[in-house]
Amino acid sequence: EVQLVESGGGLVQPGGSLRLSCAASGFTFSSYSMNWVRQAPGKGLEWVSYISSSSSTIYYADSVKGRFTISRDNAKNSLYLQMNSLRDEDTAVYYCARDSRYYVAYFDYWGQGTLVTVSS
Amino acid sequence: DIQMTQSPSSLSASVGDRVTITCRASQGISNYLAWFQQKPGKAPKSLIYAASSLQSGVPSKFSGSGSGTDFTLTISSLQPEDFATYYCQQYNSYPPAFGPGTKVDIK
Repeated sequence: EVQLVESGGGLVQPGGSLRLSCAASGFTFSSYSMNWVRQAPGKGLEWVSYISSSSSTIYYADSVKGRFTISRDNAKNSLYLQMNSLRDEDTAVYYCARDSRYYVAYFDYWGQGTLVTVSS
Repeated sequence: DIQMTQSPSSLSASVGDRVTITCRASQGISNYLAWFQQKPGKAPKSLIYAASSLQSGVPSKFSGSGSGTDFTLTISSLQPEDFATYYCQQYNSYPPAFGPGTKVDIK
């Protein structure tokens, strides 16, 4: 069974930093591209970042470019999101989501999410 | 960037009703369109990909159609567990984009 479990969320002040993790199991993690998608309270879904299976290709949404860094450790079956210079508008539930095997940017499995609150 | 719209933004329906939700892309995306279901406090769940292909394990009461810029999600007979918010998403090009969602609640 595919499982994605996020952790690392919490309360942080504006300008602060936070590192999210996503632990994957139930599939060959090193064969799949991965993503972070977020959802502000009461709002819709927003794609944040993509990383290919070998980390050779990385994309970011314009809203986080230069502030967030996606990475992965295939030996540990883990995905990460380093978030710096956090702003109020980064407050959201952050989901890790797996790219499907055959369609880039179709998210076939999602974690349960971790809440990041940016507030003073 | 491609923008996605959905209509209606919300609808009220009864158990057993047939429900149709529409999604429109700001430019052609072929059939690179997915649908997701999200219940309150839960992660999105994939329902349909490639506009009309059912994700494994999803019941056949869900169906999708369309190509190019106009797409629909149909629930053939609404059940209590189907009351949720539904999102479309294009994956034709980066950045991937979601529609604003359609909330389906009980009449």
